[in-house]
Amino acid sequence: QVHLQESGPRLVKPSETLSLTCTISGGSLNNYYWSWIRQSPGGRLEWIGYVYSSGSTRYNPALESRVTISVDTARNQIYLTLRSVAATDSAVYFCARDRRRFTAYFDSWGQGTLVAVSS
Amino acid sequence: DIQMTQSPSSLSASIGDRVSISCRASQTIGGYVNWYQQQTGKAPKLLIYAASTLQSGVPSRFSGSGSGTDYTLTISSLQPEDFATYFCQQSHTFPDTFGQGTRVDIK
Repeated sequence: QVHLQESGPRLVKPSETLSLTCTISGGSLNNYYWSWIRQSPGGRLEWIGYVYSSGSTRYNPALESRVTISVDTARNQIYLTLRSVAATDSAVYFCARDRRRFTAYFDSWGQGTLVAVSS
Repeated sequence: DIQMTQSPSSLSASIGDRVSISCRASQTIGGYVNWYQQQTGKAPKLLIYAASTLQSGVPSRFSGSGSGTDYTLTISSLQPEDFATYFCQQSHTFPDTFGQGTRVDIK
């Protein structure tokens, strides 16, 4: 059973950069897609983007100019960087395994980490 | 982006009730819809993918149906652990988008 765990700062100042790590255990990162998804305080879920184990990425156009997702297969970790954050970026951030072949669904999720953007 | 609209936004039901939650897409999505359950303070859990395929380990009281723009999640006999918020998600058209959620609570 694969296990995902998000980690990173809980508080980020406006205009600064949010950086999160997702550590994957109990299974291989290889040959899978891995997504970041966030949930606003109001409950809305928003897909941020994915990385494949090879390093290829695709991002939500709404965030593409500010987002980078990367992978380190040796460490079994994926990373999220979100630049120039604002209060509207305050959310619970989840990493998830992304079964993106003929269809796409998220079958394993981390517990999520709450990030607040505030000075 | 494709808009996914769930109805109702919330509902109250009793143990043993049959419950249906609808999800309407702003354009046809060809069965590329998934359903998730989220308990308070937890991550979403995959229930159904590709409109009607039950995820491994999910009880058979959950089922999904639909086509075109209209999809339904049905719980045949509501159990205490089913009180939660349910989300639909489309993966037909980039980017993936989610419905706003339907909260199911105890009547």
